[in-house]
Amino acid sequence: GENVEQHPSTLSVQEGDSAVIKCTYSDSASNYFPWYKQELGKRPQLIIDIRSNVGEKKDQRIAVTLNKTAKHFSLHITETQPEDSAVYFCAASRGTGGFKTIFGAGTRLFVKA
Amino acid sequence: GAVVSQHPSWVICKSGTSVKIECRSLDFQATTMFWYRQFPKQSLMLMATSNEGSKATYEQGVEKDKFLINHASLTLSTLTVTSAHPEDSSFYICSANPPLAFSNEQYFGPGTRLTVT
Repeated sequence: GENVEQHPSTLSVQEGDSAVIKCTYSDSASNYFPWYKQELGKRPQLIIDIRSNVGEKKDQRIAVTLNKTAKHFSLHITETQPEDSAVYFCAASRGTGGFKTIFGAGTRLFVKA
Repeated sequence: GAVVSQHPSWVICKSGTSVKIECRSLDFQATTMFWYRQFPKQSLMLMATSNEGSKATYEQGVEKDKFLINHASLTLSTLTVTSAHPEDSSFYICSANPPLAFSNEQYFGPGTRLTVT
């Protein structure tokens, strides 16, 4: 079945450093790759997403890269701040409407001040 | 942006009872909604896809007779946990995405924390 693997499970960085989280997916038909940030007890919040026809996307301090051939995608956070501390999930889906989204296991990011 | 609500936000029930959780899309119609379960410090695990006017599609390992899903209208899906047991205690989250062209974004409800005593 469909599977999304995410690494690392925990990441600790110093404030101002960069953080990179990597994911791989198994379903070749996946064409949409969102990244979510989840704080304790809250719903996941979309922070950035990328579609399969794009290799890279950036939004201020956050960027995502996608290698469709290798089925890899990564989240890059630059100039990390303490408020970036949270759990981050990658996900993959086949698209709109009735297509389900499969989540990675999550990465707990700690940004030390 | 699109809004999805859930009710209740938390519930405590006794073992053996049933609990119903509602998921509503407030400003759009959703023919499909998704139900997830999240245990502490774990990922969101998809339980089922709720289809308006038809039967839900359950993921492997999810008991359809225990987790009853009803999607009776384009804005409401309900998840009923029947004969709840302490191991059913979890954070249940629903999601939906608006039928907008080129939009894949899932909108999540705020979640329902279920505690079975």
